[in-house]
Amino acid sequence: QQQVKQSPQSLIVQKGGISIINCAYENTAFDYFPWYQQFPGKGPALLIAIRPDVSEKKEGRFTISFNKSAKQFSLHIMDSQPGDSATYFCAAIVGGSNYQLIWGAGTKLIIKP
Amino acid sequence: DVKVTQSSRYLVKRTGEKVFLECVQDMDHENMFWYRQDPGLGLRLIYFSYDVKMKEKGDIPEGYSVSREKKERFSLILESASTNQTSMYLCASSEQGANYGYTFGSGTRLTVV
Repeated sequence: QQQVKQSPQSLIVQKGGISIINCAYENTAFDYFPWYQQFPGKGPALLIAIRPDVSEKKEGRFTISFNKSAKQFSLHIMDSQPGDSATYFCAAIVGGSNYQLIWGAGTKLIIKP
Repeated sequence: DVKVTQSSRYLVKRTGEKVFLECVQDMDHENMFWYRQDPGLGLRLIYFSYDVKMKEKGDIPEGYSVSREKKERFSLILESASTNQTSMYLCASSEQGANYGYTFGSGTRLTVV
């Protein structure tokens, strides 16, 4: 019940295309869902996050879509660029608690020029 | 610029050695975490700490211990290194009550031979 399932494991997208990464969860107590971006040789960095009372959040070319009834959320990268090539992790947490982030397994995204 | 600094980027140690991985943060964060990252397995929590001299086991604590004598420093100790501990080790910190906002270090790639 504590798991966050992330797919796909890897993804290749042409430059200018839309990259979509999906995550699903079971624990309805989760109330904050961040996405992290990790470049090779670096630690993950917070990219964008959403709460379940919002169905969509957009920051530049990055959008989180959230479906509370289906217990799913996804990251969309519009107009994908080679510089977006990285590993992306979704995560979930019971906010305000001392519980730790529950991580998805990660998606390695490659944007082909 | 806020930082989490891990003392070594690369380490090579022999089987049976005692290994110390050091992590220092300059953000006055209460929470600190140690993860290991392996291909296909995502981020796995080893130990975490919510306060000085306090530690809690994560998902995979076997073969590891930690020390937090000062708020800014969190050390990971491999008591007797083994080849299956070859991995990327990531340290992170966060404010109390803001568990989603982790700041990661750049990681230490440890090879045990």
